[in-house]
Amino acid sequence: EAGVAQSPRYKIIEKRQSVAFWCNPISGHATLYWYQQILGQGPKLLIQFQNNGVVDDSQLPKDRFSAERLKGVDSTLKIQPAKLEDSAVYLCASSFGPGGEKLFFGSGTQLSVL
Amino acid sequence: DQQVKQNSPSLSVQEGRISILNCDYTNSMFDYFLWYKKYPAEGPTFLISISSIKDKNEDGRFTVFLNKSAKHLSLHIVPSQPGDSAVYFCAASAGGNKLVFGAGTILRVKS
Repeated sequence: EAGVAQSPRYKIIEKRQSVAFWCNPISGHATLYWYQQILGQGPKLLIQFQNNGVVDDSQLPKDRFSAERLKGVDSTLKIQPAKLEDSAVYLCASSFGPGGEKLFFGSGTQLSVL
Repeated sequence: DQQVKQNSPSLSVQEGRISILNCDYTNSMFDYFLWYKKYPAEGPTFLISISSIKDKNEDGRFTVFLNKSAKHLSLHIVPSQPGDSAVYFCAASAGGNKLVFGAGTILRVKS
């Protein structure tokens, strides 16, 4: 069974630039999550999709972050414009059920904002 | 507001001995707890979980203990192996809602 696919693996940008991350969840998983993991901290949920609808985006900085999950499969997370404090690993995860359960994570995208 | 706390940033254990990783939580509504393991440059992988209706769950070398009155859980690894060296995250959820993660504990198993 293929796991959660993410790209790119690494990205270096300057502040005020924009960046986008892509995620393809495990086939058949209805729920998709984007987490932000800052060095030395645990993953923090940014947004949760159930199929192509948003379930929770309470911690997403909506003035600069956006995410979509068209057709209930792939998802993209965008940051525009980026700030220095956005430097982190962005993890995508998926689960079969609606949430609060065992998640399957991708390898993440390491973002450095200079 | 840190609802899930892992107060030990790191732990070093000799191969073959027991590793005990601790986790405390503040939200009494949490009813499901999980441990994830993370190697460098990889995403976290699920290790073991426990529901609040239990106080112990075992899977091979891994056992999780839950003390609801103390709002504390622990992960025991016996015997510890060098391949267990990783970052371990404790996570919790309430009523099927989002997982809240602790900051992680780096485990180093020395051979």
